[in-house]
Amino acid sequence: GESVGLHLPTLSVQEGDNSIINCAYSNSASDYFIWYKQESGKGPQFIIDIRSNMDKRQGQRVTVLLNKTVKHLSLQIAATQPGDSAVYFCAEIVLYNNNDMRFGAGTRLTVKP
Amino acid sequence: EPEVTQTPSHQVTQMGQEVILRCVPISNHLYFYWYRQILGQKVEFLVSFYNNEISEKSEIFDDQFSVERPDGSNFTLKIRSTKLEDSAMYFCASTLDRGPQETQYFGPGTRLLVL
Repeated sequence: GESVGLHLPTLSVQEGDNSIINCAYSNSASDYFIWYKQESGKGPQFIIDIRSNMDKRQGQRVTVLLNKTVKHLSLQIAATQPGDSAVYFCAEIVLYNNNDMRFGAGTRLTVKP
Repeated sequence: EPEVTQTPSHQVTQMGQEVILRCVPISNHLYFYWYRQILGQKVEFLVSFYNNEISEKSEIFDDQFSVERPDGSNFTLKIRSTKLEDSAMYFCASTLDRGPQETQYFGPGTRLLVL
């Protein structure tokens, strides 16, 4: 029978290419967003965050874009490397709500050498 | 670099049994969290804890669940009577303080399998 919930969206890219991972969030009151990377068998690892009063934030090789109008968040990874292969989750938080964080479904990124 | 640790890494139990999952948050952190992740699904918030009491809990965190900070270093999640659907990875996390500048540091997780 079908295994519900085991089919994450996937993105496969060639090493060295740029990757764009998308996330649609649900709560228009969310005012803080985080991208997490989860490697197989490990806990989520913080990558980058953005507040709702910004539309872009850059880190090392990563950029997060926020479009509040359509409640959309994206993570861009420049020059993707094999070590970037993982599942990527976005998370949304309503500030000062006890840091109650809600995760998105995740996207599996596979980097081909 | 300080890290959150969790024990055991794997736990197999029979339905109806009690399990205790243990976490050692980063030593100077004050806020603690439990999340679970059913295989292949998204990470779900269970509960947050501060100053020896629950700050927030989700609808998943029903009367079968409890959390405790029994001493100065451990933070535990107890499931009183496990059900098949409790099978999941359970992640502990901690932050130094509350607020958006505080990164949540996650532990490696405990994989719970209820038979």
